[in-house]
Amino acid sequence: DTEVTQTPKHLVMGMTNKKSLKCEQHMGHRAMYWYKQKAKKPPELMFVYSYEKLSINESVPSRFSPECPNSSLLNLHLHALQPEDSALYLCASSQVVGSNQPQHFGDGTRLSIL
Amino acid sequence: SQQGEEDPQALSIQEGENATMNCSYKTSINNLQWYRQNSGRGLVHLILIRSNEREKHSGRLRVTLDTSKKSSSLLITASRAADTASYFCATVLQTGANNLFFGTGTRLTVIP
Repeated sequence: DTEVTQTPKHLVMGMTNKKSLKCEQHMGHRAMYWYKQKAKKPPELMFVYSYEKLSINESVPSRFSPECPNSSLLNLHLHALQPEDSALYLCASSQVVGSNQPQHFGDGTRLSIL
Repeated sequence: SQQGEEDPQALSIQEGENATMNCSYKTSINNLQWYRQNSGRGLVHLILIRSNEREKHSGRLRVTLDTSKKSSSLLITASRAADTASYFCATVLQTGANNLFFGTGTRLTVIP
């Protein structure tokens, strides 16, 4: 079991649907991350939140909308996605946004766009 | 791209043998980390080595870092079937936030 919990584990949605991915951690970490991972590829950073504020957006299309309601929760709102957005979406957290801090990952949400 | 390169892309060994994976990167770093990913799961942090360190051990893991060559290696000794996974190196740059830039990964298969 991981200390970062992601729901749902699997999600299938149409291109016109609106859905949300959720991530929760109770380790007191103040930095949280979203990554996208395509099959047989390394994870790619999408967003970084530091103290509940968006600090990095790696030029992610606006159809992905992150939200950090509090220090334990991170959401990723999805709208009008494309088939190429099908991937494993990973959430991670670390103590602070700073060097020398390992990141703790959830098991991801496997997203399929029809 | 700041992404690192790993080799080999895939490695298959017998249980009990040692496995060595190599990582090369492009820019100056603050630290380099290794992660393991079992199929369909998230990543698990294995070890972190700072730019001023040359070698680090953790259990059956040994990591080396050569900043002059911009390269690192991960050695897993006395491998077990449970070590079967993908292994990624990830760099943290000298400047900026704690962003991880992942290498391309090595798929390790340990045959019982």
